[in-house]
Amino acid sequence: NAGVTQTPKFQVLKTGQSMTLQCAQDMNHEYMSWYRQDPGMGLRLIHYSVGAGITDQGEVPNGYNVSRSTTEDFPLRLLSAAPSQTSVYFCASSRGHEQYFGPGTRLTVT
Amino acid sequence: AQKITQTQPGMFVQEKEAVTLDCTYDTSDPSYGLFWYKQPSSGEMIFLIYQGSYDQQNATEGRYSLNFQKARKSANLVISASQLGDSAMYFCAMRGHQGSGSARQLTFGSGTQLTVLP
Repeated sequence: NAGVTQTPKFQVLKTGQSMTLQCAQDMNHEYMSWYRQDPGMGLRLIHYSVGAGITDQGEVPNGYNVSRSTTEDFPLRLLSAAPSQTSVYFCASSRGHEQYFGPGTRLTVT
Repeated sequence: AQKITQTQPGMFVQEKEAVTLDCTYDTSDPSYGLFWYKQPSSGEMIFLIYQGSYDQQNATEGRYSLNFQKARKSANLVISASQLGDSAMYFCAMRGHQGSGSARQLTFGSGTQLTVLP
């Protein structure tokens, strides 16, 4: 049981490039979420999903797309990277009250 | 909308002493959950403790306890017998129990950096 996995761990992008952050969970959880953490701040919700085929926006969705074709996977796409998207990104899944976080992806946009 | 406020950016505590990290919240949801997470310098988010809004007793998990005062909308974390390994950033968070929208996802405070002194 690997829990929540994220790839890559680190990524450097140039402004305007696109990329996909991968997230997978093997706990058969319905709820999955993406958060970003900026220095000195708590995590902020980007997008979330309540099940396969269902996604919705969180607090800071601009510049990001998501899809949920399977229960296990919830990728986050950056369409055209901007320096303001430099952050640490966490994926999480949950069932009941406990939320399990992945190890995070540290993204730098130059 | 939900809001979490942590007013202590940094705290220091002597090893083996107890420390209280403050958290206040605001929500219109009649049913909700309150969480504390630990984030060490390695960066992972570690779940510590959970309190449901209708739980009659304060939650405890080993050296962690949650001092829940519903009328004051506060959910302070108490760490007893602090250890050097407790040095980390601590986040308070909440989640509503109603509906299926973003209110059911976690809203975080800005965190408190705890340093345990030898």
